[in-house]
Amino acid sequence: NAGVTQTPKFRVLKTGQSMTLLCAQDMNHEYMYWYRQDPGMGLRLIHYSVGEGTTAKGEVPDGYNVSRLKKQNFLLGLESAAPSQTSVYFCASSLLDRYGYTFGSGTRLTVV
Amino acid sequence: DAKTTQPPSMDCAEGRAANLPCNHSTISGNEYVYWYRQIHSQGPQYIIHGLKNNETNEMASLIITEDRKSSTLILPHATLRDTAVYYCIVRVQEDDKIIFGKGTRLHILP
Repeated sequence: NAGVTQTPKFRVLKTGQSMTLLCAQDMNHEYMYWYRQDPGMGLRLIHYSVGEGTTAKGEVPDGYNVSRLKKQNFLLGLESAAPSQTSVYFCASSLLDRYGYTFGSGTRLTVV
Repeated sequence: DAKTTQPPSMDCAEGRAANLPCNHSTISGNEYVYWYRQIHSQGPQYIIHGLKNNETNEMASLIITEDRKSSTLILPHATLRDTAVYYCIVRVQEDDKIIFGKGTRLHILP
C-alpha cells in the first residue's frame, strides 16, 4: 500500500515547454486534488476531481489542465510553462471521510 | 478564502504541551474543524478533526469552545519532531475541497 505517489519528484523546464505531472493512489479514493506551494506560502488549490471522468477548478487554475481518466490517477498538465509556475506541487486524495486527505511527497518544478 | 485565523508562529519547549489556537468566528453549524501539519518540505499530514465535542487521538487533542468560534490543538508532550507548520481548516464534512490558510509555524525548543 503505497498511498499517494507523485512522479517525477524533481523537474526543470524551459519557458514554453510542456509537461505532465502524475499522481497515483492505491486507496480507492474518489476524490483527488492538486495543490501548489510557493516559498513561505500555504497551499493553494489548482484543480480537483470528485470521481473518475470529472474535474473542477480550484483557486488558481489558470495555466494548468487536468484529467482523471482512471480513478487511481490524476494528471496535471502544463501546456506552456512559465517561470511563475515554479513551485512545489502536491497531490492529495480522500474518501471524503473522517480521516481527511492523504498527501503525496510533492514534485519540485523549476521553470527557467 | 481561508475561514480561520492563526498566529504566524509560536515557540514551545521540548517536553511541554504545545497549545495552538485557531479562531473561526464565522463557522457554520455543519462545518468541522480540521488540523493538518506540514513538516519541512513534506506533504501535509492529517492530525485530527471535530465538530463540537473535544476529540483526542494518538497524536493530539482538539478542544473546541462551546460557541465553536475558536479551538485549540494540543500536542501533550512536544518533541523536536513536532516542529512544523500547523494548519487549522474549517469545512463541511461533505464538501469536496479544503482551502489552506498560512498556518502557524511551531518551533520546538530543546
